[in-house]
Parts: sequence; C-alpha cells; structure tokens
Amino acid sequence: ELKVEQNPLFLSMQEGKNYTIYCNYSTTSDRLYWYRQDPGKSLESLFVLLSNGAVKQEGRLMASLDTKARLSTLHITAAVHDLSATYFCAVGRRGTSYGKLTFGQGTILTVHP
Amino acid sequence: GAGVSQSPSNKVTEKGKDVELRCDPISGHTALYWYRQRLGQGLEFLIYFQGNSAPDKSGLPSDRFSAERTGESVSTLTIQRTQQEDSAVYLCASSSRGQANYGYTFGSGTRLTVV
Repeated sequence: ELKVEQNPLFLSMQEGKNYTIYCNYSTTSDRLYWYRQDPGKSLESLFVLLSNGAVKQEGRLMASLDTKARLSTLHITAAVHDLSATYFCAVGRRGTSYGKLTFGQGTILTVHP
Repeated sequence: GAGVSQSPSNKVTEKGKDVELRCDPISGHTALYWYRQRLGQGLEFLIYFQGNSAPDKSGLPSDRFSAERTGESVSTLTIQRTQQEDSAVYLCASSSRGQANYGYTFGSGTRLTVV
C-alpha cells in the first residue's frame, strides 16, 4: 500500500525566510503533485512532476522530484504572508496518467510579519 | 463547464437519513474521483471512475457508500443511513486521460454535517 508522508506538518515562518517541505512516499512512482488549500476552500494545483529530476518553479515556490529517493521537496524562498495555506503532496501510480492519488497529511504553513 | 461543479455546497442531515452528493466534471474529462476530507485531515480516496465504469472503488468505507456516473458526465455519491463519522467535506475531481501534465481539477466540495 502506498504511503505518503509530509514533514513538517506545521510550519511557522517569518516573512523573508526560506524553508523546505518534504514529501516521502513508500513505493515507486513518477507522478507527483503539489496542491495548495486555503481555509474553507478547495485544492489548487501548484505543480505536476512527472520524471526523475524534474524541477518546476512558480514565483517563490520551487518543487523537485527524486524518484530514486522517493522524495519530493517544495522550497519556499523569501516567504510572504500570502503563502500562508495548507500544502499537500499527492502521489499517483507509476506509469499511468490517471487513477487515484494518495495524499500526504498536509503541511500547515503560517507566515508571520 | 469551466470548472468542476459540486452540489449542494453544504448539507446538514439527521443521523440515519440518506444523502446524495452531486459532481459535474469539466466537459471532456473522462476520469472522475471522489475524496473525503475530515476536519484538519488530508484527503482520503473513495472511488475513481473512467467513463461510467469504476475501476477502483477500494476507498469506499462501507456498503452504506455508493456512487454512480452517467456516461462521462455527472456523478452522484450516495450515503445511506448517515452516521456522525460521515461528517466531512466531500471533494470531487476530474481529469482527462493522458493529460497528467495538467493534474486533477478539484471542485469546491460539499460540506456534510450529520447531526
């Protein structure tokens, strides 16, 4: 059974600082997604990573995938308050472009002035 | 439609009653997924449709839960004899087969409260 673990689960940051959220998964996969969820809202797709070594960047967020280590990271650069949200990684079954995603527990990020 | 539409957005029901939740996926999306999110928790997979067949319904928690889909269109998730532990946000997502690059698009969810 595929297990996905994120850490940390809670992250309190000061504005301007950098930090990384880690997503480990238990079985081979080459399909990794990062989502953002604001309180009371649905999930917004941030990144889709589909191969070993994939790196994607959008604004202050950068995501990477190491399929050999079964690890994805979401790096936050010079955090701003608007980034406060819950971030989820999700892993799909290797070799397919569909089917269920298994989600991590989520990381609640709070950015303080 | 432009996005994934779910209804109702909120539902309060008495314990023991049946409820139906509806999901209208993005037009042309062949795959449809139901997830459950309990308060403060991650997403729990329930069922996946490809067209109107369900290749994976491994996440349905009990036989009180069922889902169906008409063609490549609307899906309904039915919970019979609701229990308090069924209280959660039920999220629907859709995707286009072979379009993994774009990820899955989620609806806004139905918040179900069983009292």
